[in-house]
Amino acid sequence: DAMVIQNPRYQVTQFGKPVTLSCSQTLNHNVMYWYQQKSSQAPKLLFHYYDKDFNNEADTPDNFQSRRPNTSFCFLDIRSPGLGDAAMYLCATSVGVPSTEAFFGQGTRLTVV
Amino acid sequence: GQNIDQPTEMTATEGAIVQINCTYQTSGFNGLFWYQQHAGEAPTFLSYNVLDGLEEKGRFSSFLSRSKGYSYLLLKELQMKDSASYLCAVRDQSDYKLSFGAGTTVTVRA
Repeated sequence: DAMVIQNPRYQVTQFGKPVTLSCSQTLNHNVMYWYQQKSSQAPKLLFHYYDKDFNNEADTPDNFQSRRPNTSFCFLDIRSPGLGDAAMYLCATSVGVPSTEAFFGQGTRLTVV
Repeated sequence: GQNIDQPTEMTATEGAIVQINCTYQTSGFNGLFWYQQHAGEAPTFLSYNVLDGLEEKGRFSSFLSRSKGYSYLLLKELQMKDSASYLCAVRDQSDYKLSFGAGTTVTVRA
């Protein structure tokens, strides 16, 4: 059974129209990450939560926001998507202790038209 | 912050061995991970090192030297299905930030 679930798998949005991507986990993990990955590039960390503590990367555009209403769910909001925001968005979780891997969801591929 | 470097591409023959190196600089080290990623798919976990030395897992092994900021992933008895991108990732001690290198694309030829 999938443990980190991202919905939808494919999302098409219009230029400038707000879009929300969702991630849920059944693992009860403390830490949740959002990554942006463009073709043939490494996943780029946008932000992560340790429990409710939010950590924003310095180079994450203001256009990207996140919410974590509870342990299980985390959302990525893109307020005004541009063509450059088309990418795969990956959610991952991990337990907040050493020696534990991060588990990835299947990703949401965002297309901006 | 973390600077993570790994080669961009490597090519090897089926049945051979390939070693992918990763160097990193971090202010607080809390483990190094190797992930495999096929095109269009999410990364899948391969190995984890937090102490110096070699971790072996079947055909895959990973080595870590914390004093040198260096790791490698060793892939033995290469198979065609091993053609993928291999990502080195380092976790920060203070806030569990997990950062990835740019990935090494391995192509296995018959």
